[in-house]
Amino acid sequence: GNSVTQMEGPVTLSEEAFLTINCTYTATGYPSLFWYVQYPGEGLQLLLKATKADDKGSNKGFEATYRKETTSFHLEKGSVQVSDSAVYFCALSDAGGSYIPTFGRGTSLIVHP
Amino acid sequence: DAMVIQNPRYQVTQFGKPVTLSCSQTLNHNVMYWYQQKSSQAPKLLFHYYDKDFNNEADTPDNFQSRRPNTSFCFLDIRSPGLGDAAMYLCATSTRGAGAETQYFGPGTRLLVL
Repeated sequence: GNSVTQMEGPVTLSEEAFLTINCTYTATGYPSLFWYVQYPGEGLQLLLKATKADDKGSNKGFEATYRKETTSFHLEKGSVQVSDSAVYFCALSDAGGSYIPTFGRGTSLIVHP
Repeated sequence: DAMVIQNPRYQVTQFGKPVTLSCSQTLNHNVMYWYQQKSSQAPKLLFHYYDKDFNNEADTPDNFQSRRPNTSFCFLDIRSPGLGDAAMYLCATSTRGAGAETQYFGPGTRLLVL
């Protein structure tokens, strides 16, 4: 079956530090990959996505590249802000099979001023 | 703006007293989902509708039911809430088709069981 593995949190950084949150996946077929962000007390919001190998998704300074050879979709940002503090979920959706997304367990990011 | 709306944002109920959570969408999406999310965990899918077709997850307790009277609305009924049902309940929508199935989430309803 499909699965998503994310690095354990919390990740604690100072403002303007570089961010990497690792995500690897297992899937049959050719999944689409997503990063969702959840701010405290809110629902999830799509941050970025990639639909095929070597695609790079980007939004709000965040980016992630779909690496089929390493089955990874790591999230990066060059300079984090306090307002980026949230929980980040990696997810996949296998359009060729079940369209039900599979979520990772989430990684909490805490950014200090 | 097209969106997913959940009401209420906070719901307090008593142990064993039935409660209904509501979700509406203006996106005209054909798939609607209900998730349960407990603290520091990933959302757990309870069930989803593809149009009027209801799909229950195998491990969703019988205590949880859902209704989708039309494309725009979906309800989550908890027949006899227990203390363990206290959680954030998230509604989401998507449109099924070739390619990526992005989900659009509502803000959630936080349920407290006393």
